[in-house]
Amino acid sequence: DSGVTQTPKHLITATGQRVTLRCSPRSGDLSVYWYQQSLDQGLQFLIHYYNGEERAKGNILERFSAQQFPDLHSELNLSSLELGDSALYFCASSVAIGDEQFFGPGTRLTVL
Amino acid sequence: GQNIDQPTEMTATEGAIVQINCTYQTSGFNGLFWYQQHAGEAPTFLSYNVLDGLEEKGRFSSFLSRSKGYSYLLLKELQMKDSASYLCAVRDLSDYKLSFGAGTTVTVRA
Repeated sequence: DSGVTQTPKHLITATGQRVTLRCSPRSGDLSVYWYQQSLDQGLQFLIHYYNGEERAKGNILERFSAQQFPDLHSELNLSSLELGDSALYFCASSVAIGDEQFFGPGTRLTVL
Repeated sequence: GQNIDQPTEMTATEGAIVQINCTYQTSGFNGLFWYQQHAGEAPTFLSYNVLDGLEEKGRFSSFLSRSKGYSYLLLKELQMKDSASYLCAVRDLSDYKLSFGAGTTVTVRA
């Protein structure tokens, strides 16, 4: 158990819908990272927040957005869902920027 | 950007040694990480190299050559539970984000 929690564990929804994935970092960690892992693409970095501020963006679609709240938990919002958005979404946290990242158990999103 | 290459699959026998190579091309290098990931589970941290040389951690060792853009992860005394995907990840100098390779699936056979 890494200490990072993610909810929900599984999510099944339909195309065109919107979902919110939630992540709570390890106690004391200020950095939160979001990754998408699909079968054909491997682990892809989406976005990084540090202490409430966006620090880096990867290949994140415009339909996706994220934020980190004052209590340091983070949410990833996925809208206008497409079949290709089906994937495992991982959140990771670290104490400071660039430190070793600890991954949460992931949310498996299935878009039907 | 980053370009990271590692073999897709490797198979080895229980008790043996396996070496997983990773080559990378990067515009700004600031460290290399190895993670282990069992199917459907979260990646877990194995090792970190930022300077050239060998880092040893129990049965796992990792080596880095920055001039060659090359790293390897060495798994010794293989156990069945080592069957997993091993991900090489390079940290970017400018924004510290991690770019992951596609992963090497290691299968340990009895």
